[in-house]
Amino acid sequence: DGGITQSPKYLFRKEGQNVTLSCEQNLNHDAMYWYRQDPGQGLRLIYYSQIVNDFQKGDIAEGYSVSREKKESFPLTVTSAQKNPTAFYLCASSISPVYNEQFFGPGTRLTVL
Amino acid sequence: KQEVTQIPAALSVPEGENLVLNCSFTDSAIYNLQWFRQDPGKGLTSLLLIQSSQREQTSGRLNASLDKSSGRSTLYIAASQPGDSATYLCAVDAGGTSYGKLTFGQGTILTVHP
Repeated sequence: DGGITQSPKYLFRKEGQNVTLSCEQNLNHDAMYWYRQDPGQGLRLIYYSQIVNDFQKGDIAEGYSVSREKKESFPLTVTSAQKNPTAFYLCASSISPVYNEQFFGPGTRLTVL
Repeated sequence: KQEVTQIPAALSVPEGENLVLNCSFTDSAIYNLQWFRQDPGKGLTSLLLIQSSQREQTSGRLNASLDKSSGRSTLYIAASQPGDSATYLCAVDAGGTSYGKLTFGQGTILTVHP
């Protein structure tokens, strides 16, 4: 089955720890995106990558980092510098930046203890 | 800066009713607009994508229209069913150097009761 997978589904982090969220796609899509969703708010873009080995900051990149070493994978690291990391994180991909109907994974819910 | 607003924030209708969800955006220079559905605790499902040159798109009981000059889009759902209950989100893409950077509205929570 083609699609986007995210793991883990639930993640708990102690304050001061870095954690990495996984996002994998087997759709052969060039572009990938990370969003954050808070209760009662729309999605906000954290980082996006238009092609392998390239990525750009979105609207709320502070306290996050990404890498794009493989076309299929776009992991997101939530660092200790992110002041309010508790949220629902969603990964998406599209064929390309131009043909950009976005398809989403099931999400990871991160809770800071 | 692009801002996207969805009205109403919540809507409750009886099964079988036709309904309209509204999305407005402040900057009419968009590349495309996409409508999504989100079930509680789940990811988003793409429903319809309208390019800036198009006026509407249809998929089954769903019809989305776009009036770029007035900064508005509507999602029409015909003969609503309880399974349509979900949050509906619209998002706009400004294109240009920002291809793929979507700006989302806050969503409309739809409840269809039997």
